[in-house]
This record gives sequence, C-alpha cells and structure tokens, in this order.
Amino acid sequence: NAGVTQTPKFRVLKTGQSMTLLCAQDMNHEYMYWYRQDPGMGLRLIHYSVGEGTTAKGEVPDGYNVSRLKKQNFLLGLESAAPSQTSVYFCATTPRLAGDTQYFGPGTRLTVL
Amino acid sequence: GQNIDQPTEMTATEGAIVQINCTYQTSGFNGLFWYQQHAGEAPTFLSYNVLDGLEEKGRFSSFLSRSKGYSYLLLKELQMKDSASYLCAVRNTGGFKTIFGAGTRLFVKA
Repeated sequence: NAGVTQTPKFRVLKTGQSMTLLCAQDMNHEYMYWYRQDPGMGLRLIHYSVGEGTTAKGEVPDGYNVSRLKKQNFLLGLESAAPSQTSVYFCATTPRLAGDTQYFGPGTRLTVL
Repeated sequence: GQNIDQPTEMTATEGAIVQINCTYQTSGFNGLFWYQQHAGEAPTFLSYNVLDGLEEKGRFSSFLSRSKGYSYLLLKELQMKDSASYLCAVRNTGGFKTIFGAGTRLFVKA
C-alpha cells in the first residue's frame, strides 16, 4: 500500500519547456488536489478533482492544466514553463468531505531556469 | 476575502509547552485542521476541529472558537523532533477546498 506517490521527485526545466507531473493513489479516494508551496506563502490550490473525469480550478490555475482519466491518477501539466512556476508541488487526496484529512504525496521540486 | 494568520516563527525550550495561534477569515467554515511539516517533507495531519472546544491527542491539543475565528495548537513536553512548521488550514463550506495559512516555524532548543 503505497498511499500517494508523485513522479518525478525533482525536475529542472528551461523556460518554455513542457512537462507533466503524475500523482497516483491506491487508497480509492474520490477527491484529489494539486497544490504549490512557495516560501512564506503556504500551500495554494492549483486545481482539484472530485471524481474520475471531473476537474475544477483552484486559487492559482493559470499556466497549468489537469486531467483525471482514471480515479487513481491525477496529472498536472505545464504547457510552457515559466520561472514563476519554480516551486514545490504537492498532490493530496481525501476520501470524502467534512472531517477527513488530506493525505499528501512526498512532493515534486521543480526549478524553471 | 479569505485570510489565515499565524505567527511566522516561534522558539521554545525542550520539555516546555508552546501555543501556536491561528486566526481566520473565510467565506465559509466546515472544519479547521492542523498539519505538521518537517523541512523537505509533506504535511502530515495532526488535528481536526469542527465544533467549539478543545480536542486532545497525546501531547498535542487543538482549540477552536468559531465565533472569534480563532484556533490554537498546544504542544506539551516539547521534544527536539517537534521542530517543524505547523500549518493551520480551514475547509470551506461545501468541503471541496481547504485554505492554508503560511505556517509557523517552530524551533525547539535544548
């Protein structure tokens, strides 16, 4: 039982390059989230999904796209990376609404040069 | 607007008690969470409050006052391993989104 995993753990991109971050969970959770964490700013929600085939925008969605084709996977895409997207990205899942904590993946550290 | 405030840094001594405060103003309220995050790691769940009052879990306790928009996390018998960031987070009405504070970095000294 791996819980929540993220691939890759580290990545360095050049401005304008594209990449996809993968979040996978084996807990059969319905809800999945992508956050970014920057120094002094806490976790900010990028996009989220309440079920397979559904996605919605969070606080800071610009420059990112997501897809949830399978319940266990939530992909975060950067079409044209910018230095402002240098951050640590966390995926999180939760099985239902009120009262359930979010379970976080280990994070992906992305640097855009 | 939505805002969560907590102190940036705190320092305490091993064996002592420390209280980390959190005030919030959000568009709705459906529960308050505290998470612990060690440097370079993911946040991990500590506590959840949805009703007013104190929730105790071992060395950690969390208090909530919804009317005041206020919570605190109390850590007793501090240990060096408690040196970490502590994140206050509020889940909004509807439950889809959780707003996080910037976190409080706690340094425990010998």
